[in-house]
Amino acid sequence: GAVVSQHPSWVICKSGTSVKIECRSLDFQATTMFWYRQFPKQSLMLMATSNEGSKATYEQGVEKDKFLINHASLTLSTLTVTSAHPEDSSFYICSAEREHFPGSYNEQFFGPGTRLTVL
Amino acid sequence: GEDVEQSLFLSVREGDSSVINCTYTDSSSTYLYWYKQEPGAGLQLLTYIFSNMDMKQDQRLTVLLNKKDKHLSLRIADTQTGDSAIYFCAESPYSSASKIIFGSGTRLSIRP
Repeated sequence: GAVVSQHPSWVICKSGTSVKIECRSLDFQATTMFWYRQFPKQSLMLMATSNEGSKATYEQGVEKDKFLINHASLTLSTLTVTSAHPEDSSFYICSAEREHFPGSYNEQFFGPGTRLTVL
Repeated sequence: GEDVEQSLFLSVREGDSSVINCTYTDSSSTYLYWYKQEPGAGLQLLTYIFSNMDMKQDQRLTVLLNKKDKHLSLRIADTQTGDSAIYFCAESPYSSASKIIFGSGTRLSIRP
């Protein structure tokens, strides 16, 4: 199966600092990647859709200036949490979409997640 | 709007069958999914069903879809301790097939 990695797996930072999380598709190219946020014992909430070579599409209520997304290559998308605050503490999960063939079902492969704790 | 609901907890005895239920609101869903999440890990796609199917079976897993009632279920036969996890029901709306809407997850625990 396809593999998606995230780095770092966990990070602790001070309030006011910025944190960058990387999402990589290791054995396939992904034009589209997704960033999710998961609160404890809750579901995944889609934050934004990351498109290679263009601006990300953010879901309603997600601040694009706070959560900067860069999809610079077909295998890498980054999420930067700027000026992090304790309420940004969460589990961030990315997924990468692999197209089987044009017009077919595109499966999303999920990374292992990054736990962010802001003190 | 799009909404996916499922019960939060399920406890079954080892060796019994587990049935996890889910309801959704978007009648135009294209695909419906079941994902498994183990503690501290990402999501693993267990199985998916296209909206024009009623049933899909894959080894110990059986998915049933009732489109009329917008009800999806996942049956795990001969439940083992390794099946302990959170199971997420999810759907892709017709309007955006790449977008996945997740339910709240059902935590499955196994009793000896």
